[in-house]
Order: sequence, then structure tokens, then C-alpha cells
Amino acid sequence: EAQVTQNPRYLITVTGKKLTVTCSQNMNHEYMSWYRQDPGLGLRQIYYSMNVEVTDKGDVPEGYKVSRKEKRNFPLILESPSPNQTSLYFCASSLDVGSSYNEQFFGPGTRLTVL
Amino acid sequence: QQPVQSPQAVILREGEDAVINCSSSKALYSVHWYRQKHGEAPVFLMILLKGGEQKGHDKISASFNEKKQQSSLYLTASQLSYSGTYFCGTEFTSDSNYQLIWGAGTKLIIKP
Repeated sequence: EAQVTQNPRYLITVTGKKLTVTCSQNMNHEYMSWYRQDPGLGLRQIYYSMNVEVTDKGDVPEGYKVSRKEKRNFPLILESPSPNQTSLYFCASSLDVGSSYNEQFFGPGTRLTVL
Repeated sequence: QQPVQSPQAVILREGEDAVINCSSSKALYSVHWYRQKHGEAPVFLMILLKGGEQKGHDKISASFNEKKQQSSLYLTASQLSYSGTYFCGTEFTSDSNYQLIWGAGTKLIIKP
């Protein structure tokens, strides 16, 4: 089944404890992206990647890191989480960049709480 | 830069029509529409490109007005399954590296 998977789905942690949220897609998609979703603010892009080893900042990159060593994986790293990073996180992927058909496929989401 | 969606929320009876608008202060290259049900991931509905394109499938359609810098999503004869939050995502240029700027969402509640 074509899908984007994220792990963990739920995470409660404490301030300053490094964590990684994994994202993997099995559709051979070039483009991958991380979003955070907060009530009343919609989706805000954290980082995106147009291909392996190519990543770039989105609108809210502060406090986050990413890497794209393999095409299928795009982990999100919080080196020192803070309470303002409590949010719902989505990973998404799409087949191509720049084409007229850029449907994004979203993972199921990771609900992160930082105490 | 974030597009403005209106209304913020709407409650309808099954069978009624709804219009959701997405307006930008900058010229748009494309508009993407997604629907998100509570506790789930957003799901793609359609993309409209610069050129006044109008698309639709089933009873959900959308238009893109470049001059007004806005897109509208039309839900005709709404069904219970249409409930959810609708988001528009906007691109301002063709070489934006596919960086979408999303609206805050419109919550649609359909009652029997």
C-alpha cells in the first residue's frame, strides 16, 4: 500500500531531551516536507527536501533539523525541545517538484507534547 | 503572506450548498485545496493553476480568479461526509520550489 508513515504517533517528553520523529514513504517520491499544525494557524512548513541531500528551510525552521540521506526517509530532529514546540506534526511527500500535478500525501501525524 | 480563508466556520444542513474562499494579498500561481477530518491527515482535493482554471469532481468544484487573487471552493448538495476542515495552500511563483503557504482553514459542519 502506498503510504507515508510516521513514528511515533504520540510522544510526551521533557524540555531539552533530544528526540527524532521518523518519516518514510514507499512511493519513490522526490519531494518531502515537514509541517506543524497549531489551532487557528493552519499548516506551517518547517523544512522541505527536493531530493536526496537537498534540504531547505520553510517558514518556521528554528529549533528543528532534518536530513535526507535516503530518498524514502526524512527524519525530523528536535535537538533541545521546548514547550512551544508542542504541536501536531505532519510529514508529506509528492512525486515531483514543479509539475502541474503536485498532490501531497500526508502521514498520519505525530502529536508531540513537551513539558 | 498567509492567504485568508473565509468563512472561518460554517454549519449546514445536509443537501445545502457552501462556498469557501481563499484570498491572497499577492498574485497567485496556483491554489491547492485539501480537506482534513478530525484526527486525520489532510487529503488532497484539487489543484488550480494560473489561468482561471475551474476544476471539479463529484459535487465539489473550485475556481481560480487571478485578477481577484482568490480561489473559491464550491460544495454542492453537501453530504455528511463533507464535514471537516478545508485548507487552501498557495504558491506565488512557478519556481517557488513547491513551498506552499497555507490558510488557517475553514471548518465545515454538516448536520443531518
